[in-house]
Amino acid sequence: GEDVEQSLFLSVREGDSSVINCTYTDSSSTYLYWYKQEPGAGLQLLTYIFSNMDMKQDQRLTVLLNKKDKHLSLRIADTQTGDSAIYFCAQKGDYKLSFGAGTTVTVRA
Amino acid sequence: NAGVMQNPRHLVRRRGQEARLRCSPMKGHSHVYWYRQLPEEGLKFMVYLQKENIIDESGMPKERFSAEFPKEGPSILRIQQVVRGDSAAYFCASSPESETYGYTFGSGTRLTVV
Repeated sequence: GEDVEQSLFLSVREGDSSVINCTYTDSSSTYLYWYKQEPGAGLQLLTYIFSNMDMKQDQRLTVLLNKKDKHLSLRIADTQTGDSAIYFCAQKGDYKLSFGAGTTVTVRA
Repeated sequence: NAGVMQNPRHLVRRRGQEARLRCSPMKGHSHVYWYRQLPEEGLKFMVYLQKENIIDESGMPKERFSAEFPKEGPSILRIQQVVRGDSAAYFCASSPESETYGYTFGSGTRLTVV
């Protein structure tokens, strides 16, 4: 199976919070990442969390890490139309990143 | 300080032709990674290079694909005798060292094989 799994789609109303979930397999991962990809564009690093942390907050973004369950989540507060994109969860091994298939977030008015 | 530069952005090749994808890492970055994104999938690791060295090519298909990162100039991902299944977005990332937390990705080259 895939090393990193995430749900494929999320629809959220503008102004609400979005929560994107991810599970990973490599318990030795040092860093876990969230990347954003807009249509036809490259990957933009949104945020990352070091494996010895439980939570990281950066403006509208909150990352929660549950190492016991190997579960990572990204919460986007006050979701805006510009947040519509594909969000990828990734775990870092030695130097390789393993990505999930991406969650397509659609923000509706 | 320019980011990771990839060119071309879009590349169309007929079956059987060769495709050459270029990647110039960020200034000061000596590590380059290539990833492939098939339609509606996540990125898959292909190869990790340092200057004049291939460190890990475990994600590269055994035939037709090769990569290099010469002492001077960009990293090149070369696909010989392309087939329709090679159609994908190819992303390059760079880092200053392998143990860094951060990888900077380029905008990708979208290869279409017709």
